[in-house]
Amino acid sequence: EAGVAQSPRYKIIEKRQSVAFWCNPISGHATLYWYQQILGQGPKLLIQFQNNGVVDDSQLPKDRFSAERLKGVDSTLKIQPAKLEDSAVYLCASSPRDGPYEQYFGPGTRLTVT
Amino acid sequence: GEDVEQSLFLSVREGDSSVINCTYTDSSSTYLYWYKQEPGAGLQLLTYIFSNMDMKQDQRLTVLLNKKDKHLSLRIADTQTGDSAIYFCAESTWTGNQFYFGTGTSLTVIP
Repeated sequence: EAGVAQSPRYKIIEKRQSVAFWCNPISGHATLYWYQQILGQGPKLLIQFQNNGVVDDSQLPKDRFSAERLKGVDSTLKIQPAKLEDSAVYLCASSPRDGPYEQYFGPGTRLTVT
Repeated sequence: GEDVEQSLFLSVREGDSSVINCTYTDSSSTYLYWYKQEPGAGLQLLTYIFSNMDMKQDQRLTVLLNKKDKHLSLRIADTQTGDSAIYFCAESTWTGNQFYFGTGTSLTVIP
């Protein structure tokens, strides 16, 4: 079974530029998550989708971050414009619809904003 | 968000047992998880426990839950150098929403 795929693996941009990350979850997983992990901290949930609907986006900075999940499969996370404090690893995870909601994580995208 | 606290560092000798602790504040948490993160990699689920359980054992891993004190622990028996990593506890509600991860404990195993 293929795991969660993410691209790109690394990205370096200047502040005020835009960037987009892509995630392909495990086939059949209804739920998809985007996390931000700042160096030395635990992952912070940004947004959670079930199929193509948003379940929780309470911690997503909506003035600059946006995410979509078209057709309930792949997802993109965009930052526009980026700030220095957005430097982090962006992790995508997917899980089955029903409990215990074990999440399978992708390798992450390391974003550096200069 | 909810607070999920862990001690930052733990160092043990190879062959000893490791105990990693976690405290959480959300009394509505239903599932509690332990994840492992190796350098440069995503997180890997090790085990989980449902909130109506006190203990769960899975090979070298033992999870203890004290719901009254909101305290979760992970014991790794016969710790090996390959167990060196960062360990995160996490919690979620019954519906699988509101995932909160702890700050992570860096485990170093000394040969």
